[in-house]
Amino acid sequence: GAVVSQHPSRVICKSGTSVKIECRSLDFQATTMFWYRQFPKQSLMLMATSNEGSKATYEQGVEKDKFLINHASLTLSTLTVTSAHPEDSSFYICSATYAAGGPYEQYFGPGTRLTVT
Amino acid sequence: GQNIDQPTEMTATEGAIVQINCTYQTSGFNGLFWYQQHAGEAPTFLSYNVLDGLEEKGRFSSFLSRSKGYSYLLLKELQMKDSASYLCAALDSNYQLIWGAGTKLIIKP
Repeated sequence: GAVVSQHPSRVICKSGTSVKIECRSLDFQATTMFWYRQFPKQSLMLMATSNEGSKATYEQGVEKDKFLINHASLTLSTLTVTSAHPEDSSFYICSATYAAGGPYEQYFGPGTRLTVT
Repeated sequence: GQNIDQPTEMTATEGAIVQINCTYQTSGFNGLFWYQQHAGEAPTFLSYNVLDGLEEKGRFSSFLSRSKGYSYLLLKELQMKDSASYLCAALDSNYQLIWGAGTKLIIKP
């Protein structure tokens, strides 16, 4: 149980275009979803936390107008990278948690590798 | 500030035992997680400790000392597939995970 999917797994886009990444909890209702970014050989960096039906809380230094997060339902959150640039190339990972899942354990999606050319 | 420290890289031999240490400083504490992350993949949950002591789960064990702000992950009977990064993360008073940079474990035959 507690499976999280992400789509797409890999995406290549041109500089200046926008890319949408979907995160779905397949067999549970996620009270909270998290979006992380990970650069090569570095740890996870939390970008934002979102609860269904409310605005996402962004970490300091993360541009909310550039990284649009929508958490429309208890099973779906989307991250849109707007006007992407090469420096946005990274591994984006979502995770989800639910109250009955234990001590706030986060279940991770498989990640999306974004390459901006 | 909040901080998690763990070694950057460790090397061990197949069949041996390795201990990965983690020290933490957080605003409040609600438990410590260990995750395994293979290259190019997302992290997977290994263990959670909130009380002092050792939790054993198969070949993997995790230890916590709250008074020392210290945890370790012990891996026994190492297999080549255990080559991965091991992430230590502490849950602070706001139930936010504070992540360490990860320890890359290299297993040699």
